[in-house]
Amino acid sequence: GIQVEQSPPDLILQEGANSTLRCNFSDSVNNLQWFHQNPWGQLINLFYIPSGTKQNGRLSATTVATERYSLLYISSSQTTDSGVYFCAVLSGGGADGLTFGKGTHLIIQP
Amino acid sequence: KAGVTQTPRYLIKTRGQQVTLSCSPISGHRSVSWYQQTPGQGLQFLFEYFSETQRNKGNFPGRFSGRQFSNSRSEMNVSTLELGDSALYLCASSQYTDTQYFGPGTRLTVL
Repeated sequence: GIQVEQSPPDLILQEGANSTLRCNFSDSVNNLQWFHQNPWGQLINLFYIPSGTKQNGRLSATTVATERYSLLYISSSQTTDSGVYFCAVLSGGGADGLTFGKGTHLIIQP
Repeated sequence: KAGVTQTPRYLIKTRGQQVTLSCSPISGHRSVSWYQQTPGQGLQFLFEYFSETQRNKGNFPGRFSGRQFSNSRSEMNVSTLELGDSALYLCASSQYTDTQYFGPGTRLTVL
């Protein structure tokens, strides 16, 4: 099945800093989503971005499908941005459901 | 629109028992997928239902089963619970194979 690798696994930043999270995948995809998992476990949708660039406030994402990677940018970090960020992909007909990376654990210190 | 809802939110069972978890998708969504999250294995796909039919299945033993009703609500069942089944079970709904929206999850503890 498709492999998804996220980097870095852990990231500690000061409030106000910018960050870039990376997601590499091993095959072509027809669905790529970024999620933020809140402290209670719910996965919050950030972006549906199989290709191209999108922005939502302080967050933006870019997927370069031909080179099999996606980037999530967080600008002017706030403590509420802390948590685990997951990249997930759907390949082929979706027979394997969404395949998730191991996540990036982001800690924003005040 | 209301989001994806899951019940119960927390559950404690003992080994050998069985459990049923419920998921109500976003109105109009016909696809419901289930995922298991554990610290060791991360997030793993269990199965997907679309219009009351299991469309895809992950690599889990037959003790894990599910079904979908005509109103798109879905249930998953785990029989003969094992300690390793302790996990957060997440349900997601989508219209087809596009954006998946997740519910708050059911946290299952097996003692």
